[in-house]
Amino acid sequence: EPEVTQTPSHQVTQMGQEVILRCVPISNHLYFYWYRQILGQKVEFLVSFYNNEISEKSEIFDDQFSVERPDGSNFTLKIRSTKLEDSAMYFCASSGPWDRGLAFFGQGTRLTVV
Amino acid sequence: DQQVKQNSPSLSVQEGRISILNCDYTNSMFDYFLWYKKYPAEGPTFLISISSIKDKNEDGRFTVFLNKSAKHLSLHIVPSQPGDSAVYFCAASAATGNQFYFGTGTSLTVIP
Repeated sequence: EPEVTQTPSHQVTQMGQEVILRCVPISNHLYFYWYRQILGQKVEFLVSFYNNEISEKSEIFDDQFSVERPDGSNFTLKIRSTKLEDSAMYFCASSGPWDRGLAFFGQGTRLTVV
Repeated sequence: DQQVKQNSPSLSVQEGRISILNCDYTNSMFDYFLWYKKYPAEGPTFLISISSIKDKNEDGRFTVFLNKSAKHLSLHIVPSQPGDSAVYFCAASAATGNQFYFGTGTSLTVIP
């Protein structure tokens, strides 16, 4: 069964450092997403990506965040200068044609900023 | 602005009984609704969905009901099993948008 894969499963970084979270979406999907969940809180939308550009982003997704699909298979989330409050589980998801697509999620990357 | 709400953070049910998880939404543009199940330290797993042209969708032990006029949906699990213990998220989307809006989740515990 096709699945969304994320690497690494756990990333520890020092405050102020840059991190890149990687995702391989399901191969025939067209829409890509990043969500995050701070421990004990709700799943929050960060950004959606379609046709090689951002289609929607939330207030959380400020200038410190960027996304890229560098090679047609990977989908990355970069945080330029991490803050303590960026510590969370980050989930990548992908979906097919929007009209009835549903999002399949990866297992998540636990980001710990120290 | 919480467009999808799950007002019960937790629910405990005896094995074999029915579990009913509720979800309310505010955006009348939502036309597609999904339930996800999430275990700790794992990503959400799709469970069942319903489009706004239906009021019920059934898949085995899981049934989702949609009441558009009340902007309310519910997930019924019958019979509940200990393996159903997880956090359940409802999510909604609109054909005009490009994101899924999630509720805050309900933690279901099925007691053997």
